[in-house]
Amino acid sequence: EAQVTQNPRYLITVTGKKLTVTCSQNMNHEYMSWYRQDPGLGLRQIYYSMNVEVTDKGDVPEGYKVSRKEKRNFPLILESPSPNQTSLYFCASSGLGGNSPLHFGNGTRLTVT
Amino acid sequence: AQRVTQPEKLLSVFKGAPVELKCNYSYSGSPELFWYVQYSRQRLQLLLRHISRESIKGFTADLNKGETSFHLKKPFAQEEDSAMYYCALLNYGGATNKLIFGTGTLLAVQP
Repeated sequence: EAQVTQNPRYLITVTGKKLTVTCSQNMNHEYMSWYRQDPGLGLRQIYYSMNVEVTDKGDVPEGYKVSRKEKRNFPLILESPSPNQTSLYFCASSGLGGNSPLHFGNGTRLTVT
Repeated sequence: AQRVTQPEKLLSVFKGAPVELKCNYSYSGSPELFWYVQYSRQRLQLLLRHISRESIKGFTADLNKGETSFHLKKPFAQEEDSAMYYCALLNYGGATNKLIFGTGTLLAVQP
């Protein structure tokens, strides 16, 4: 089954403790992206990647890092999480080109205390 | 600047009533627009795209370039339509194609 898999689904952590949210897709998609979803703000893009070893900042990259060492994986790294990073995070992937829709993961709900 | 505006945070209707979720966009080129839906505790998924001119689950959306709108409509709402709906605009930019999302509208269909 074609899918985008994120782990974990839920995560509670404390300020400053490094964490990684994993994202993997099995559709051989070139494009992968991370979004955060906050009430009243909708979906905002954090980082995206057009292909292996190619990553770029989205609209709200501060406090986040990503890597794209393999085509299928696109982990989101929070080196020193802060409470304002408490949010619902979605990973998505697609082929290149406008006709290829975004496929989303199930989301990761992160709480930073 | 490229922008998607969904003016309503919440739209509450009764079952069987018509539904219109508003979406307006700002884009200098020829727009490509989508509606995504997120049911409770589920992932976002594509509902429809304007280039397909399709009707999915009874929903339709017509691109109106004069009014720069892409409103989502359904003649008779069902309870299972209750969800968060996001309008999105594809922003072509060099080697990067990026989806710009609106802030979303929560549709609540009352029995």
